[in-house]
Amino acid sequence: DTGVSQDPRHKITKRGQNVTFRCDPISEHNRLYWYRQTLGQGPEFLTYFQNEAQLEKSRLLSDRFSAERPKGSFSTLEIQRTEQGDSAMYLCASSLALALPGEQFFGPGTRLTVL
Amino acid sequence: RKEVEQDPGPFNVPEGATVAFNCTYSNSASQSFFWYRQDCRKEPKLLMSVYSSGNEDGRFTAQLNRASQYISLLIRDSKLSDSATYLCVVSENTDKLIFGTGTRLQVFP
Repeated sequence: DTGVSQDPRHKITKRGQNVTFRCDPISEHNRLYWYRQTLGQGPEFLTYFQNEAQLEKSRLLSDRFSAERPKGSFSTLEIQRTEQGDSAMYLCASSLALALPGEQFFGPGTRLTVL
Repeated sequence: RKEVEQDPGPFNVPEGATVAFNCTYSNSASQSFFWYRQDCRKEPKLLMSVYSSGNEDGRFTAQLNRASQYISLLIRDSKLSDSATYLCVVSENTDKLIFGTGTRLQVFP
């Protein structure tokens, strides 16, 4: 158990609805990342935060996606006007800024199904 | 062309076998290299970092060839518990990880 938790674990929604996912990182970790993984593919980077600052966003992240980390602890990822192509596993990871490069701890993910 | 390319497999090997996975990356500016392991329906977990001089962790040996932009992972004396997907991962100057599609390994008795 890595200590990163995500909620909900599963979400089924209809096309056009908005959804919001939550990630609680390991408590002392100041970096938090969001990735998306589809079947047969590796995780794909979406965005990351150091404390409350969003430092990088993927070019692939459309305007319908927004992420926040208001107090530098938990983070939320919102998808507006969901599309069937948004169906995927959304993974959150956390790390310490001074940790070994690449040592990110992943949560169990939120599986989104858009009907 | 994908930034990180791997043979998706599956590699089906008997217990005790030695198996090797390869990976190539396209960005010569990549700075850091890793292998992650992902069990079915679970989250990825860091298996090991990969250093230019090569490094070993028990039955696992990782190699990096910067000139060829090639990374390998060798597993000796395969165990049933090694069955998983092995993800090749690179990173540039940021903390962003770039994952390959993964290579699936199935070890059978």
